[in-house]
Amino acid sequence: KQEVTQIPAALSVPEGENLVLNCSFTDSAIYNLQWFRQDPGKGLTSLLLIQSSQREQTSGRLNASLDKSSGRSTLYIAASQPGDSATYLCAAISSNTGKLIFGQGTTLQVKP
Amino acid sequence: GAGVSQSPSNKVTEKGKDVELRCDPISGHTALYWYRQSLGQGLEFLIYFQGNSAPDKSGLPSDRFSAERTGGSVSTLTIQRTQQEDSAVYLCASSPGLLSRPDTQYFGPGTRLTVL
Repeated sequence: KQEVTQIPAALSVPEGENLVLNCSFTDSAIYNLQWFRQDPGKGLTSLLLIQSSQREQTSGRLNASLDKSSGRSTLYIAASQPGDSATYLCAAISSNTGKLIFGQGTTLQVKP
Repeated sequence: GAGVSQSPSNKVTEKGKDVELRCDPISGHTALYWYRQSLGQGLEFLIYFQGNSAPDKSGLPSDRFSAERTGGSVSTLTIQRTQQEDSAVYLCASSPGLLSRPDTQYFGPGTRLTVL
């Protein structure tokens, strides 16, 4: 059974700092891994999706990496801004149906 | 274009009542998912529809939960005889479903259900 863990649960950084959010999964047989952002009281916004054959994906200041052999993914945020404050969720897909198995999330606060 | 929409945005009900939650996926998306987000359990998969195939119901927590998808588009999640532990945000997502592998899922804003 796939389990996804995110560390840390919460993170507070000053504006401008580069930061890394960690995600680990127990079953390396994944189809892909997806990172989401969730703002308070809102739904989920997809940030990046990494296919199992890929090692990383980039979008603007965001870079996500995937290491299947070690069961890890990281989300790197460069030059953080107060608007980046949100909860970041990673989710692994281990089934061809595409159902997502989510971590508990990392709540990020970027202070001006 | 329009994203995934869900209604109602908030629902307050009394214990024992039935509720229906609606999801309108992105037009043309053949895959549709329901998830539940609660304080104690995080985000959990409930059910998955893909085209005309039999749905994957493996995440439904009890037989009080059911879902249908009519005409391959709109989906309704029904919870019968609601219990307080059903209180959560119910999220719907859709995906193009055109690839042979899972693709990006796009989420709606959710329905916040409170069972008194």
